[in-house]
Amino acid sequence: DTAVSQTPKYLVTQMGNDKSIKCEQNLGHDTMYWYKQDSKKFLKIMFSYNNKELIINETVPNRFSPKSPDKAHLNLHINSLELGDSAVYFCASSPTRPYIPYEQYFGPGTRLTVT
Amino acid sequence: KQEVTQIPAALSVPEGENLVLNCSFTDSAIYNLQWFRQDPGKGLTSLLLIQSSQREQTSGRLNASLDKSSGRSTLYIAASQPGDSATYLCALDMDTGRRALTFGSGTRLQVQP
Repeated sequence: DTAVSQTPKYLVTQMGNDKSIKCEQNLGHDTMYWYKQDSKKFLKIMFSYNNKELIINETVPNRFSPKSPDKAHLNLHINSLELGDSAVYFCASSPTRPYIPYEQYFGPGTRLTVT
Repeated sequence: KQEVTQIPAALSVPEGENLVLNCSFTDSAIYNLQWFRQDPGKGLTSLLLIQSSQREQTSGRLNASLDKSSGRSTLYIAASQPGDSATYLCALDMDTGRRALTFGSGTRLQVQP
């Protein structure tokens, strides 16, 4: 009965490779997000999707491309991985405003290590 | 641009103490504020959510308050236990269509048995 799930949990890869992280939520939410937590543990929004449409695209390199095949899934594809991409990536979901409470639920995270 | 600050960055207390974690923000036009807990190597667990029209929320030994006018929120933990040891994060959802949380840097709490 996992609410927000991500795969894989750990990802170790070499520079230059292309990789994907998958996210699924079974909460019936309309909005999904990708956040990045850097080595200093600071969490920052990367993307958000509402009903499969891109809402937020922060200043993220275009090597990162989110894809939402349906409302329950939001995948993150990363091309030409660099050392600086090493971080923990969190997927989250929430209902759409003005639903109350407008609360975000987070997945367990994917620890990406680029060598 | 919203800036969120959490003080202290780290805190160590003996078991049984009551404690307060602080979160301050620069832009008071918030939709709501969430407090999260993050255990090492784990995801985020939502603890409390305060709507912008509310002053406080309580859940068990936790009480969160919100003062928009002064740009502050506090998380009060009563009778702390070693199991409360974690990093506590506050996050703000702005009153715009942006739909993303802006996080503070967190307070790392250690409760000594």
